[in-house]
Amino acid sequence: DTGVSQDPRHKITKRGQNVTFRCDPISEHNRLYWYRQTLGQGPEFLTYFQNEAQLEKSRLLSDRFSAERPKGSFSTLEIQRTEQGDSAMYLCASSLGSDRVHQETQYFGPGTRLLVL
Amino acid sequence: AQTVTQSQPEMSVQEAETVTLSCTYDTSESDYYLFWYKQPPSRQMILVIRQEAYKQQNATENRFSVNFQKAAKSFSLKISDSQLGDAAMYFCAYRFTQGAQKLVFGQGTRLTINP
Repeated sequence: DTGVSQDPRHKITKRGQNVTFRCDPISEHNRLYWYRQTLGQGPEFLTYFQNEAQLEKSRLLSDRFSAERPKGSFSTLEIQRTEQGDSAMYLCASSLGSDRVHQETQYFGPGTRLLVL
Repeated sequence: AQTVTQSQPEMSVQEAETVTLSCTYDTSESDYYLFWYKQPPSRQMILVIRQEAYKQQNATENRFSVNFQKAAKSFSLKISDSQLGDAAMYFCAYRFTQGAQKLVFGQGTRLTINP
């Protein structure tokens, strides 16, 4: 299966600890998105990469959050000094697009469910 | 800022019947896309159907069709001949054609199929 994969699928951590999630997009996709989904809500945009460049960050992405996409392939999302309010599903999506092509579909991974105790 | 509203937290339908899920959105843009995504329990989100705002014709994908009313900023999803596998959370989403092209999602509607 060559879909979007995320690791780990589940993470339980104690408040104050740092966590890192990984996303592997579909291999030829140049765009990568991170979203956060809390229970009973729709996903909310966190950040966006085109190749290795992080082009947009949401206000939801506090200073404790950092994302990278070295070499334009996989991406990592790190949360430092986790808080209970960080408990959520973190979704990654990828797409193939350009400034001239607007019709690309975002394909989602299975998500990483984070629980902060 | 763009917003998407789904006013039906839960819906249910008998197997083989038809159900319509509602969605309204707010935007000042004229060129955008609208989507319905399906999120089955403990499974990843998948695209159900997409509508380009510049197209007047409503999109259709097999048993799934939309009623796109641009002036009213309404975008409903009709599922015909409902099947047990249609049970899921359904999210309506908006995407502007410029910039990051991030998706803006509604709160979701949980659809239950009764056998």
